[in-house]
Amino acid sequence: DGGITQSPKYLFRKEGQNVTLSCEQNLNHDAMYWYRQDPGQGLRLIYYSQIVNDFQKGDIAEGYSVSREKKESFPLTVTSAQKNPTAFYLCASRGTSKETQYFGPGTRLLVL
Amino acid sequence: QKEVEQNSGPLSVPEGAIASLNCTYSDRGSQSFFWYRQYSGKSPELIMFIYSNGDKEDGRFTAQLNKASQYVSLLIRDSQPSDSATYLCAVSPSGGYQKVTFGTGTKLQVIP
Repeated sequence: DGGITQSPKYLFRKEGQNVTLSCEQNLNHDAMYWYRQDPGQGLRLIYYSQIVNDFQKGDIAEGYSVSREKKESFPLTVTSAQKNPTAFYLCASRGTSKETQYFGPGTRLLVL
Repeated sequence: QKEVEQNSGPLSVPEGAIASLNCTYSDRGSQSFFWYRQYSGKSPELIMFIYSNGDKEDGRFTAQLNKASQYVSLLIRDSQPSDSATYLCAVSPSGGYQKVTFGTGTKLQVIP
């Protein structure tokens, strides 16, 4: 069953804590993306990666970090520097033969 | 000026009618255009993509692109209550892995 998986579905963060959101894909896509969506808002790009061991900042990278050690995985860490982390986080990937971008089911991050 | 603009709605149409969703974009170098449907609390799912000027039809959905006017639209024929969702327009500057820019979405309500 091919696709993009994200875990956990819900994540609770305490003040001053770093948390990591998982994103895995088995579509053999080179490019992966992280977006943040706030209620009633569009998608804002946090980071994206076009190839293993390389990634670029998106529009709202401050307070976030990523790694791309494997083609299949692109985890996002929300650091304590991100003062307003409550949002719906979406991971996406994009293949080479088509330009369409596919999304995982999302992780909802809440602050305790 | 926002890079991708959509009317936030809600757009209300009666069941069986045609729903028309519109999107304008600012980057004349844009090459790929996508429409995603997002149900409340869920991740976006791709419903249409278009690269060339003109119309592209898929079932009840028709995407229309006019690059000269920097305008892309989505028509939904025979609208059903299950079509009630937020529709996101997305634009990519060219092929490959470059970032995709999303509009804030139009909320569609189909009234039974």
